[in-house]
Amino acid sequence: LAKTTQPISMDSYEGQEVNITCSHNNIATNDYITWYQQFPSQGPRFIIQGYKTKVTNEVASLFIPADRKSSTLSLPRVSLSDTAVYYCLVVPVRDHSGTYKYIFGTGTRLKVLA
Amino acid sequence: DSGVTQTPKHLITATGQRVTLRCSPRSGDLSVYWYQQSLDQGLQFLIHYYNGEERAKGNILERFSAQQFPDLHSELNLSSLELGDSALYFCASSFAGALDTQYFGPGTRLTVL
Repeated sequence: LAKTTQPISMDSYEGQEVNITCSHNNIATNDYITWYQQFPSQGPRFIIQGYKTKVTNEVASLFIPADRKSSTLSLPRVSLSDTAVYYCLVVPVRDHSGTYKYIFGTGTRLKVLA
Repeated sequence: DSGVTQTPKHLITATGQRVTLRCSPRSGDLSVYWYQQSLDQGLQFLIHYYNGEERAKGNILERFSAQQFPDLHSELNLSSLELGDSALYFCASSFAGALDTQYFGPGTRLTVL
């Protein structure tokens, strides 16, 4: 299974760019990388999804190198409201029986300071 | 507002009891997913239903069961509850399957005393 590894926590200051890297060494050919954001006591919210190279939307960018064994979520000019937990998710993750699962991992707790 | 609704918001019960959590997916979504999140823990995938059929199973205990009904709402049944079952239970929905964005509901906070 493609287990993901992320830093447990990060601190940043308002206005800075934040990069959160996720490693997924066992990613399979057909798997995509998805990032979610979660605020306390709320359900996660989709941020961005990609397969390779670079994907950008109105809130973030996702960089995926050619070997796809890692990915980096980039948040430009963070604000206090970006303080949250960020999860990297490889979808779909199939086990030996072919059944797929959704393994969110422990996430990265980002704290934005004033 | 994700469009996914979950009831109840809070549930307090005793050990050994049985509870049912309910989820209504976004309009048009065929898939429903259930997750458990214990205090300061990540999200644990429990089960995925697509159009009434079970599609994937995660770390769901035998004491837990789920189903998706013809109107696509889903219920998660938790029985013989233990203290360790206290957690936030999230439901998510997506249009179809694995690669589609999951939209999460607000969760049901279960407290087992």
